[in-house]
Amino acid sequence: SQTIHQWPATLVQPVGSPLSLECTVEGTSNPNLYWYRQAAGRGLQLLFYSIGIDQISSEVPQNLSASRPQDRQFILSSKKLLLSDSGFYLCAWSQGVGDTEAFFGQGTRLTVV
Amino acid sequence: AQTVTQSQPEMSVQEAETVTLSCTYDTSENNYYLFWYKQPPSRQMILVIRQEAYKQQNATENRFSVNFQKAAKSFSLKISDSQLGDTAMYFCAFIVNFGNEKLTFGTGTRLTIIP
Repeated sequence: SQTIHQWPATLVQPVGSPLSLECTVEGTSNPNLYWYRQAAGRGLQLLFYSIGIDQISSEVPQNLSASRPQDRQFILSSKKLLLSDSGFYLCAWSQGVGDTEAFFGQGTRLTVV
Repeated sequence: AQTVTQSQPEMSVQEAETVTLSCTYDTSENNYYLFWYKQPPSRQMILVIRQEAYKQQNATENRFSVNFQKAAKSFSLKISDSQLGDTAMYFCAFIVNFGNEKLTFGTGTRLTIIP
């Protein structure tokens, strides 16, 4: 069966520090991968999505970046965090071809102080 | 550009009553899929129901059903016989079929079921 792992679960980082959030999927190959951010009381903002290695689309131009070093690994990074980067970050995967359900990780609560 | 709009930030309803959550979307594509996801206080996202745009018949899953109006680009969720466990954030989502794979979510509706 397929599983998705996202870590860490919580993170408190000072302004200006780097960020690395990791997401891995097991039990499938060539998944679509997504990073979302959910600010307090708000909807899911799509940050990045990837339909394959070296195929990453950015939805929100800001100080975040994403990489996919392996087929089932998706990393969200920042060189210097801002206060506005605080939020709940969710990784998700789907098998693609439109219809299939997206499965989400447990999320990372990031607080930038 | 793909956009999804949920105009009801918060709703509440008495237990056992019926509630309808609204969602509208905008796309120039003809083939796409629509979803409703539920996010309970645990924050785990759960698929509630999905609808293929090429199907005219509205999808149903037990107490959950949708009213899909393609011409109006409307996709509402009806919850019948609401239960306390239905208390959650509900997100409408949209994906274009083939070649795009961008899964876009609305801003969500916070639904509270009152005992």
